[in-house]
Amino acid sequence: ETGVTQTPRHLVMGMTNKKSLKCEQHLGHNAMYWYKQSAKKPLELMFVYSLEERVENNSVPSRFSPECPNSSHLFLHLHTLQPEDSALYLCASSQEGTASYEQYFGPGTRLTVT
Amino acid sequence: DQQVKQNSPSLSVQEGRISILNCDYTNSMFDYFLWYKKYPAEGPTFLISISSIKDKNEDGRFTVFLNKSAKHLSLHIVPSQPGDSAVYFCAASAYADKLIFGTGTRLQVFP
Repeated sequence: ETGVTQTPRHLVMGMTNKKSLKCEQHLGHNAMYWYKQSAKKPLELMFVYSLEERVENNSVPSRFSPECPNSSHLFLHLHTLQPEDSALYLCASSQEGTASYEQYFGPGTRLTVT
Repeated sequence: DQQVKQNSPSLSVQEGRISILNCDYTNSMFDYFLWYKKYPAEGPTFLISISSIKDKNEDGRFTVFLNKSAKHLSLHIVPSQPGDSAVYFCAASAYADKLIFGTGTRLQVFP
């Protein structure tokens, strides 16, 4: 596997369910991100982990709970979501401390909350 | 308030012609700008970037122009190819802080 992978690619869940999104990066990067992409909106940064510590939480509701057990893996735990949480959830990684600002994205998880 | 704006949601260009995608920003502290391309069912992929100390960066068919006084940047693709059909996102960063993305422009290149 190369790059950034995300599973599952598609997820349909009810408002009372609990599910988790998984992201894995194979690039040796030290920072990982969760973004939300809703229709006709910019990508919204949700969480940033740098060296496995959360450094940013952009006022995301507590029904979204991130976890970064190591520098290669990132999870987003979901519970009691709302229909408006339906969106594409993208994971990205980057190498902090270099001159490059580039982030490398996974293919995303298309989430539908019913 | 959106700090990075892509006012054209879509653009249609004939194959072989030039595609020009525009992006405006409001934060004068931004010092690095990137363009990403996104195909359906895939994540955005990095395309080209420019530092605020430059006004032009070229990579093959892709050129990004930066006009700091106007707070405007543009991506030129020439010649355009059908495989360039995708959504293009402009992004900006200030001093290696988080990336701020625009809403994207859908480019369609037709034969």
